[in-house]
Amino acid sequence: QVQLVESGGGVAQPGGSLRLSCAASGFGFSGHGMHWARQGPGTGLEWVAYISWNGEATEYAGSVRGRFTISRDDSKNMLFLELESLRVEDTGIYYCVKEFSSGWTLEIWGQGKQVIVSS
Amino acid sequence: DVVLTQSPPSSPVSLGQPASISCRSSQSLVHGDGKTYLSWVHQRPGQPPKLLIYQISKRFSGVPDRFSGSGAGTDFTLRISRVEAEDAGIYYCTQGTLFPWTFGQGTKVEI
Repeated sequence: QVQLVESGGGVAQPGGSLRLSCAASGFGFSGHGMHWARQGPGTGLEWVAYISWNGEATEYAGSVRGRFTISRDDSKNMLFLELESLRVEDTGIYYCVKEFSSGWTLEIWGQGKQVIVSS
Repeated sequence: DVVLTQSPPSSPVSLGQPASISCRSSQSLVHGDGKTYLSWVHQRPGQPPKLLIYQISKRFSGVPDRFSGSGAGTDFTLRISRVEAEDAGIYYCTQGTLFPWTFGQGTKVEI
């Protein structure tokens, strides 16, 4: 059974930093692309970042490029998202998402972790 | 960026009745490999989204056959043949053909 469990996050001031982690289990983590997506308070879904199965390729939403960094540790089945230069509009629930083996589809979502950016 | 426009924003439906949601893309979602990476997810309040349909019309594992997807190019539709109480929530279309991946603004299905 695929499980994705996010941790980290919390509260930060504008300009501050946070780190999100995602522990993956129940599937061959090292063979799958992984993503982060987020959802602002009462708003829709926004894709945030992608890392390829081998970690060699990354992509970011324009709103976070240069401020967020996605990475992975296949030896520990872990996915990470470093959030820097945080803005109030980065507030929301952040989801770790497994990519479908058929490619280019968000298949399984974690339960999500809250990030609040406030002064 | 690819803009996905869903309609209607909300859809009140009665149990047992059909429902239909449209998703229009600002550009073709046909990938270089010939496939179209348009999918639909369903989100209940307080829950993460769940994948329903991928590559326009393929039902994900465990998804009831009352859900179907259709379309091509830039116009796509999700249909529920007979709405059940558990189908309430927000439906989003999403594309993985071009980075940055994007979502529609969502359609709220209210029973």
